[in-house]
Amino acid sequence: DVKVTQSSRYLVKRTGEKVFLECVQDMDHENMFWYRQDPGLGLRLIYFSYDVKMKEKGDIPEGYSVSREKKERFSLILESASTNQTSMYLCASSLATGPWYGYTFGSGTRLTVV
Amino acid sequence: GNSVTQMEGPVTLSEEAFLTINCTYTATGYPSLFWYVQYPGEGLQLLLKATKADDKGSNKGFEATYRKETTSFHLEKGSVQVSDSAVYFCALTPISNFGNEKLTFGTGTRLTIIP
Repeated sequence: DVKVTQSSRYLVKRTGEKVFLECVQDMDHENMFWYRQDPGLGLRLIYFSYDVKMKEKGDIPEGYSVSREKKERFSLILESASTNQTSMYLCASSLATGPWYGYTFGSGTRLTVV
Repeated sequence: GNSVTQMEGPVTLSEEAFLTINCTYTATGYPSLFWYVQYPGEGLQLLLKATKADDKGSNKGFEATYRKETTSFHLEKGSVQVSDSAVYFCALTPISNFGNEKLTFGTGTRLTIIP
């Protein structure tokens, strides 16, 4: 079964810490995405990547960066965590060539910044 | 820009009731439309999709019809079960550059089915 795996289900970090959220997919998908999910706001796109070593800003990139050194791995970095970054983070991947079946999501990482 | 508007939840229904979750969209061109479901403690899963006007997507007893004239993609199920309790997200992508499109999501509708 194909999978998108996020390294942690729950994380608790302190304000100011540098935080790494890891995502790995085994489907040879070209595209990978990071979203955050907040009540009443739905899913908001933070960053995405269409290929190794490339990245593009989504709708809310401030306070985040990403790294994609290998096709299967897409990391989200919180340079200096703040309490307003407490959220559920979802990673997703998709094929760049058709047929297109939408995204495959990981189970999410619930991050709490204290 | 592209946007998706879903009915606000939460929605609470009794088992075997009829379900409708409304979804309308704004997009340029002819988007593809999706419903995703998120069960408790899990990531989102694709429930169904439709890629052109009048298409009907269906899966697990759920259906949604792509209505271009009303820019809608309402989710329906004739008889819900307790196991359908989840958060449902409507989404679209413009599919102008096929395969490299980003999904735009609605805010989600939490559905609770009581026995």
